[in-house]
Amino acid sequence: DAKTTQPNSMESNEEEPVHLPCNHSTISGTDYIHWYRQLPSQGPEYVIHGLTSNVNNRMASLAIAEDRKSSTLILHRATLRDAAVYYCILRDPLSGSARQLTFGSGTQLTVLP
Amino acid sequence: ETGVTQTPRHLVMGMTNKKSLKCEQHLGHNAMYWYKQSAKKPLELMFVYNFKEQTENNSVPSRFSPECPNSSHLFLHLHTLQPEDSALYLCASSPTSTGQISPEAFFGQGTRLTVV
Repeated sequence: DAKTTQPNSMESNEEEPVHLPCNHSTISGTDYIHWYRQLPSQGPEYVIHGLTSNVNNRMASLAIAEDRKSSTLILHRATLRDAAVYYCILRDPLSGSARQLTFGSGTQLTVLP
Repeated sequence: ETGVTQTPRHLVMGMTNKKSLKCEQHLGHNAMYWYKQSAKKPLELMFVYNFKEQTENNSVPSRFSPECPNSSHLFLHLHTLQPEDSALYLCASSPTSTGQISPEAFFGQGTRLTVV
């Protein structure tokens, strides 16, 4: 299975943009890049996903490198409520293992007031 | 509110007790999952059900017994657990994924289990 690499932790100041990187150098052509986050004492929640093009939604933006070997989750204005563990996950919808949704260690984002 | 409800939210049980965790979703999803999250560790996938059939069992000890009577409900029956089984147990659901463009998964808030 293609794996992802993320920094263990990052800090950001409130109201400033945050760029959370993810490396996935062994990504296959059919892998989608998903981001989830887990707030303290809660289950993970879906943030965004993409295949090749950059994606925007109300929560965040996803910038995908042209070679797809890395991606960046962008929070445009971090708030204290964005403090969470952010997970970058690859999923191939054509694979029988697509349902497994395997989590790594993620990046612990701390937002400073 | 994600649409996935887990009960109870907290559970304390002795090593000789038998208890069950319940998960319910009315999102129309056909895949349901159990995850275990121990302190300071990544989420570990335990079981996957698709259309009520178990499709994944990631080497989970038999003291954990899942049950999926229909696509909306998932149970995790617990018996003779050990203290190291204390963890947050999370349920998730998603649309059937094979052949579909990456569906998102929805998680419950989890059951915090303490085995004493």
